[in-house]
Amino acid sequence: EAGVAQSPRYKIIEKRQSVAFWCNPISGHATLYWYQQILGQGPKLLIQFQNNGVVDDSQLPKDRFSAERLKGVDSTLKIQPAKLEDSAVYLCASSLVGHGYTFGSGTRLTVV
Amino acid sequence: AQSVTQLDSQVPVFEEAPVELRCNYSSSVSVYLFWYVQYPNQGLQLLLKYLSGSTLVESINGFEAEFNKSQTSFHLRKPSVHISDTAEYFCAVSGNSGGYQKVTFGTGTKLQVIP
Repeated sequence: EAGVAQSPRYKIIEKRQSVAFWCNPISGHATLYWYQQILGQGPKLLIQFQNNGVVDDSQLPKDRFSAERLKGVDSTLKIQPAKLEDSAVYLCASSLVGHGYTFGSGTRLTVV
Repeated sequence: AQSVTQLDSQVPVFEEAPVELRCNYSSSVSVYLFWYVQYPNQGLQLLLKYLSGSTLVESINGFEAEFNKSQTSFHLRKPSVHISDTAEYFCAVSGNSGGYQKVTFGTGTKLQVIP
């Protein structure tokens, strides 16, 4: 089966600019996650979708981060405006309950 | 609430020596347990998982982990490591929270295999 697709692979922006990441999960996976992984730390859940509904966004900085999953398939994560501390790898994952999570390759964001 | 503790941030080990990476968790509900591996500059890959049944689970590349409910642990072991095992390993727990599965990751353990 095809894996989780993410783009872009790398992105460098200046602080206060905006950026968007895209994720296409594995076909049939109802649950989609966005994680932020800062260098030297474990992944931190930003938002979890079940189909196109949000089930957990408690750790999403809503003043600058937003995410949507239209039609319950692919998803976009946006940061506006970006801060230096947003530099991280943004990982998208999808899953079927109990089968573990399949991660995409991630988008490495550098904010300068 | 659930949490995962990986006490060792770095584990250096000589090639062909055995290794154990420790993982302890806490949760008030039944959980699924996972180990993920992250090679340098790559994404996370599922290494092995415990869902139910046998408490000893194995991966295709020689790693194994044992679910110990009484000690709330899911340590990862390999009897003889190879240079190619150098990577960061993350333990994760998944439990039902409000009707959906919530996943929590540990902070990771960097395994450095020394030739």
